[in-house]
Amino acid sequence: SAVISQKPSRDICQRGTSLTIQCQVDSQVTMMFWYRQQPGQSLTLIATANQGSEATYESGFVIDKFPISRPNLTFSTLTVSNMSPEDSSIYLCSDYKLSGEQFFGPGTRLTVL
Amino acid sequence: SQQGEEDPQALSIQEGENATMNCSYKTSINNLQWYRQNSGRGLVHLILIRSNEREKHSGRLRVTLDTSKKSSSLLITASRAADTASYFCATRETSGSRLTFGEGTQLTVNP
Repeated sequence: SAVISQKPSRDICQRGTSLTIQCQVDSQVTMMFWYRQQPGQSLTLIATANQGSEATYESGFVIDKFPISRPNLTFSTLTVSNMSPEDSSIYLCSDYKLSGEQFFGPGTRLTVL
Repeated sequence: SQQGEEDPQALSIQEGENATMNCSYKTSINNLQWYRQNSGRGLVHLILIRSNEREKHSGRLRVTLDTSKKSSSLLITASRAADTASYFCATRETSGSRLTFGEGTQLTVNP
């Protein structure tokens, strides 16, 4: 198993503000990912966080809305910018092990008022 | 878009019974993984099965994979109330690193 931590675990934010979520993994990994889970839904991949280069975004997600940093192999941040109530979701980071297994952090539950 | 479709969407059983959940997918895969999620918390990794494997066991869990039918099943034997959760399958395509999730099955185990 893997140890992945996220901060904050939850937050309630006002419309128009931004929130940065931090993710720390316990070992150096090549690939880290950010997912969103809207209420009652499954997980959707936002982007792959690449170390040393820009993140790779999935269709429907853009850098201006979800800027991602990855300063080293064990740490990444996701910012949810200019938030609206539609951004209320659980945001999860994930890492990809050489074994092929992919583990997830505990998630950040975001509520936007 | 979601690659996997899970069936059933919801399943309610009594403690001690077996629970079977199915997952279908559309493209060629490298592996398929099953996860459990309790009440909107983080995902717990249950098991990974590779495309060249047909069956894997882990404790009370049994996973099968039929690549010819592009389907997988998760069997939980002798279920417990603590198994109540949402279960998701996720596939990693052979062409990339992306892990794509199914819609999930909500399992309720009644004491």
